Amino acid sequence: TQLLEQSPQFLSIQEGENLTVYCNSSSVFSSLQWYRQEPGEGPVLLVTVVTGGEVKKLKRLTFQFGDARKDSSLHITAAQPGDTGLYLCAGLNYGGSQGNLIFGKGTKLSVKP
Amino acid sequence: DAGVTQSPTHLIKTRGQQVTLRCSPISGHKSVSWYQQVLGQGPQFIFQYYEKEERGRGNFPDRFSARQFPNYSSELNVNALLLGDSALYLCASSLIGGLNTGELFFGEGSRLTVL
Repeated sequence: TQLLEQSPQFLSIQEGENLTVYCNSSSVFSSLQWYRQEPGEGPVLLVTVVTGGEVKKLKRLTFQFGDARKDSSLHITAAQPGDTGLYLCAGLNYGGSQGNLIFGKGTKLSVKP
Repeated sequence: DAGVTQSPTHLIKTRGQQVTLRCSPISGHKSVSWYQQVLGQGPQFIFQYYEKEERGRGNFPDRFSARQFPNYSSELNVNALLLGDSALYLCASSLIGGLNTGELFFGEGSRLTVL
């Protein structure tokens, strides 16, 4: 069974701090996605990384896909209260359909003003 | 434009009952996937349908079934409900059901509580 392990599970920081969330697996994925989910809502896609070693930036968020395509990280610079939410990584298998993603358990981030 | 819509948003059932959850994808999207999200966990894949055909099935018992209609809307049915079926059921749509088709759009989910 393929698993995606996310760490930390919970993170509570002050506004302005930096943080990194990790997503690790023993399996290789064709691509990896990061989602943010807020209470009472469905996950919303932030980014898709496809190439090993790829780095993508979305404003204050930086996403990296490991060289071996087994792990990924999300780094947030100068976190703001609006960044609060559940961050989920999701992997797509080689030959898999886009609708069939393997999700990690998520990192619950709380940014205090 | 409307996003993915799901109904009902909340429902309470008792053990042994049956439930039907409904999903309307974004206009023009032909693929619908269902996920179960238990409290404190990430979503777990249940089914994918594309052009009314099942394209994938997760590791769920036969009590779970789904179908897709000609207008691409979908229903998820769960029979003989167990306490462990209590979860947020998410529906997601995408343009096509093939490989690396891009963004998956999720609805707000149906919160099922089994007593």
